[in-house]
Amino acid sequence: EIVMTQSPATLAVSPGERVTLSCRASQSVSINVAWYQQKVGQAPRLLIYGASTRATGIPARFSGSGSETVFTLAISSLQSEDFAVYYCQQYNNWPRTFGQGTKVEIK
Amino acid sequence: EVLLVESGGGLVQAGGSLRLSCGASGFSFSTYGMTWVRQAPGKGLEWVSGISGSGGSTYYADSVTGRFSISRDNSKNTLYLEMNSLRAEDTAVYYCAKVGSYSGYFDYWGQGILVTVSS
Repeated sequence: EIVMTQSPATLAVSPGERVTLSCRASQSVSINVAWYQQKVGQAPRLLIYGASTRATGIPARFSGSGSETVFTLAISSLQSEDFAVYYCQQYNNWPRTFGQGTKVEIK
Repeated sequence: EVLLVESGGGLVQAGGSLRLSCGASGFSFSTYGMTWVRQAPGKGLEWVSGISGSGGSTYYADSVTGRFSISRDNSKNTLYLEMNSLRAEDTAVYYCAKVGSYSGYFDYWGQGILVTVSS
């Protein structure tokens, strides 16, 4: 099973700041990585797939990059609605696996 | 508009069984793979099981292999998860999700349904 490791576990950020979240795969997953946002009490929402393609309706301030084993999700200027938990997921191999999540909270 | 609605959750004793359903609308159901993802209270996301559009291929996490069975009825636009020999650690919110175009990411999610296994 491919292990996805996210860092940091928690990030305290002020609105308007740029945020970078990291995700590492235990072996190469090519660009088959997705990122999701989950707010309290809500289902996850797809942000990025194919490592860097924004999903429908996702604002341009969200961007993804990386390949093989190292991936990054960046939020260029954090808005109040962006405070949430973010998960990466690989879909290169079965079983599909998620990272443990990064919580972005208000500083 | 894509809509996924889970049902069938609830409280069950350890060792018992439960069947979850997920009704789908707003897309060509038989064309897309579907999946179940769960989230234990206060924890992260865990992929549980997946099925191809035709239903001919199924996949399971090691933690549920041999106990859970995924299936679909394309005539009813409905996805199922049959859960047997339930354990306390199966307690979670279960989400059904649609798989993105011939890929493995999950582009639409249901609102989730709570399954509680009492020991």
